Amino acid sequence: DAGVIQSPRHEVTEMGQEVTLRCKPISGHNSLFWYRQTMMRGLELLIYFNNNVPIDDSGMPEDRFSAKMPNASFSTLKIQPSEPRDSAVYFCASTLGSVNYGYTFGSGTRLTVV
Amino acid sequence: DAKTTQPTSMDCAEGRAANLPCNHSTISGNEYVYWYRQIHSQGPQYIIHGLKNNETNEMASLIITEDRKSSTLILPHATLRDTAVYYCIVRAPNTGNQFYFGTGTSLTVIP
Repeated sequence: DAGVIQSPRHEVTEMGQEVTLRCKPISGHNSLFWYRQTMMRGLELLIYFNNNVPIDDSGMPEDRFSAKMPNASFSTLKIQPSEPRDSAVYFCASTLGSVNYGYTFGSGTRLTVV
Repeated sequence: DAKTTQPTSMDCAEGRAANLPCNHSTISGNEYVYWYRQIHSQGPQYIIHGLKNNETNEMASLIITEDRKSSTLILPHATLRDTAVYYCIVRAPNTGNQFYFGTGTSLTVIP
């Protein structure tokens, strides 16, 4: 199993540009999570999906952030327009959705907005 | 979910056991204790979890006190590769499956 795959690994963009982060969860996992990590705020849950349906997006910081999961094997997190304060490492994680399973995290996307 | 309290940082000599404590005095009867770790520049990694009984796997052991108000993660023979931030999380089933990570304990294994 290749694990949770995120792309790109690094992204540098100018303020105001649209940024799209991608995630492929582990095959068979039915829950997917997007987290953001910064030095100041640590790991923050942004949104999570169960069976491709967004369940809780209360962690999404602003309307500039949106996430989709069109099918069980793909999810995107979009920021439009991007701002310097969005600079962070964005992690995607997936799980079977049972209490007896932990999350499997991807390697993350390091986003720098200049 | 119950709040957890962990020391900010700890050191451990290579080859010795690393014992990482976690207080969760407000834990509810149906809440599990989970441990994750995050090695620098990587995503968090699941280590172990338990409800009441002590648990052991290939990575670590989890000791939960009888009153369940605290627990200890034990790495029996710490190596330099175990240097990481360790997160203790308590969470009930059927709460949407989301984990909320605190600040964790930064463990440094010293040669």
